[in-house]
Amino acid sequence: EAGVVQSPRYKIIEKKQPVAFWCNPISGHNTLYWYLQNLGQGPELLIRYENEEAVDDSQLPKDRFSAERLKGVDSTLKIQPAELGDSAVYLCASSLETAGVYNEQFFGPGTRLTVL
Amino acid sequence: GQQLNQSPQSMFIQEGEDVSMNCTSSSIFNTWLWYKQDPGEGPVLLIALYKAGELTSNGRLTAQFGITRKDSFLNISASIPSDVGIYFCAGSKSGNTPLVFGKGTRLSVIA
Repeated sequence: EAGVVQSPRYKIIEKKQPVAFWCNPISGHNTLYWYLQNLGQGPELLIRYENEEAVDDSQLPKDRFSAERLKGVDSTLKIQPAELGDSAVYLCASSLETAGVYNEQFFGPGTRLTVL
Repeated sequence: GQQLNQSPQSMFIQEGEDVSMNCTSSSIFNTWLWYKQDPGEGPVLLIALYKAGELTSNGRLTAQFGITRKDSFLNISASIPSDVGIYFCAGSKSGNTPLVFGKGTRLSVIA
């Protein structure tokens, strides 16, 4: 079974440019997460989707970041405009949620963004 | 955002040695998890702990969920070169709340 797929794996852009990341979760997983991982840090949640609904986006900097999950499957995360401090790894994860219990999140390989 | 306190930050050990790392929090978590992340990859779940006091093994790995629900440790016995990587602890307060991660322990194994 294919795991979580992310693209591109690497992206280098100049500051003030827009950038988009794409995630295809594991088939059948209803919950999708975008995490930000800065160098030397653990992942931090940006946004969580249950199907196509964003249920937790409190950590998403909404002035420049946006995300969508059309049809409750694939998701894109966009930054416009990018700033130097956005250089990081952007991880996507998915899980099959059952209410009230922890359900394993499966992570993709991430997109490493470098903003020059 | 909140992160768990994980220590040590890094370890250099000889192949065959045992390793221990731990994670603490100022607040209670109902699930503790340990992940391993290899370079250029996402974290992979090693062990999940669901009950205070629980001790769980996965091959050479053993992890415990602290009785206070504010801490956890991970032990690796008889380390081998492929154990190299970054180990993260993570906590979950309930099934619908996000994971909170530690900053990671970078493990290097000298053959």
